[in-house]
Amino acid sequence: DIVMTQTPLSLSVTPGQPASISCKSSQSLLHSDGKTYLFWYLQKPGQSPQLLIYEVSSRFSGVPDRFSGSGSGTDFTLKISRVEAEDVGVYYCMQGVYLPRTFGQGTKVEIK
Amino acid sequence: EVQLVESGGGLVQPGGSLRLSCAASGFSFSSYWMSWVRRAPGKGLEWVANIKQDGSEKYYVDSVKGRFTISRDNAKNSLYLQMNSLRAEDTAVYYCATGGNPGYWGQGTLVTVSS
Repeated sequence: DIVMTQTPLSLSVTPGQPASISCKSSQSLLHSDGKTYLFWYLQKPGQSPQLLIYEVSSRFSGVPDRFSGSGSGTDFTLKISRVEAEDVGVYYCMQGVYLPRTFGQGTKVEIK
Repeated sequence: EVQLVESGGGLVQPGGSLRLSCAASGFSFSSYWMSWVRRAPGKGLEWVANIKQDGSEKYYVDSVKGRFTISRDNAKNSLYLQMNSLRAEDTAVYYCATGGNPGYWGQGTLVTVSS
């Protein structure tokens, strides 16, 4: 199975400051169709997960533009330009190329 | 508006069975792959299974192969997960989601396997 490794596992951020989460996959996520299937999800406390970013850098419907994704191959990054209180929760990356689909361990983001 | 509503969770003894349902609305259900994902207490997200639009392809994580069956009824806009031979480690909140790679998610249904 593809191993997805996130760092850091926890992050404490001052509102208005940027934040960054790294995700590394054990194999390249470049599909034969030319797309790279790396996704980012956020699970807020008491809520179901929500999709933030698909195919490395495309924001899902309704996702604020302070969220951005980048990377290629095996190394990916989620950036929040200015963290807001509503951004607290656990962030997961997921690879969508290989079966079974696999998630990173999760990064817990809290506000200072 | 996309809506996914899971049901069928509950308390079951080890070795027992449960059938989860997911009622979909607000999108063309028959045009989408669908997925089940779970989150065990204190753990992260785990992909469980997905199914092609017409049900002709189904894929599972190894830990549930031979015990769980994903299915769908496009006429009823519904997704199912039949869970047999349940184990304590299957205890989790189970979410249905649109797409082979999860897009929209339901609110989840809790499955507790305990004697």
